[in-house]
Amino acid sequence: DQQVKQNSPSLSVQEGRISILNCDYTNSMFDYFLWYKKYPAEGPTFLISISSIKDKNEDGRFTVFLNKSAKHLSLHIVPSQPGDSAVYFCAATASGTYKYIFGTGTRLKVLA
Amino acid sequence: DAGVTQSPTHLIKTRGQQVTLRCSPKSGHDTVSWYQQALGQGPQFIFQYYEEEERQRGNFPDRFSGHQFPNYSSELNVNALLLGDSALYLCASSPRRYTEAFFGQGTRLTVV
Repeated sequence: DQQVKQNSPSLSVQEGRISILNCDYTNSMFDYFLWYKKYPAEGPTFLISISSIKDKNEDGRFTVFLNKSAKHLSLHIVPSQPGDSAVYFCAATASGTYKYIFGTGTRLKVLA
Repeated sequence: DAGVTQSPTHLIKTRGQQVTLRCSPKSGHDTVSWYQQALGQGPQFIFQYYEEEERQRGNFPDRFSGHQFPNYSSELNVNALLLGDSALYLCASSPRRYTEAFFGQGTRLTVV
């Protein structure tokens, strides 16, 4: 049972344009969401998070949007840079639990 | 400030053998979680240690066990290795709940 889904395995975007990565979840108990970026041969690196009491959180070029009614979150990267090319994972967790549930990842390629 | 460090980085074991993976958390972090990432998948939660006790466990068999030491470092032990245990094993540390977890670079385990 995949509680966190990233339905796009890959995405290609031109440098300078917006990258939009999507994530859907099924468990309504999730109340904290995170995005991680992973380069080959490295561990995941934290990017940005959002609590369920918010619908938007920004940090520089990265913005995460949360739509609780649709059980959907998205990560916007503006402007996209070649160094953003990596695999992006969304993760979710819930009160009373200590584990993150990860999606399967989206490979982003930013073309110069 | 050293981040999360894991050792070894790569390991090859034979079916039926036992393996121990090690993790040193980021300075100031007292909570350590272990994840297994199979090829093409997102990380899957194995268990979390806090105050030298296993606080929560994911859906992994008893062949997977762990330990946390007074200095917060941790070990993951896997007994009776199966080919399916081949994966990237990630350690993550955090200082408290709802704070992003910091991941190490992982240990690539290959079972032959």
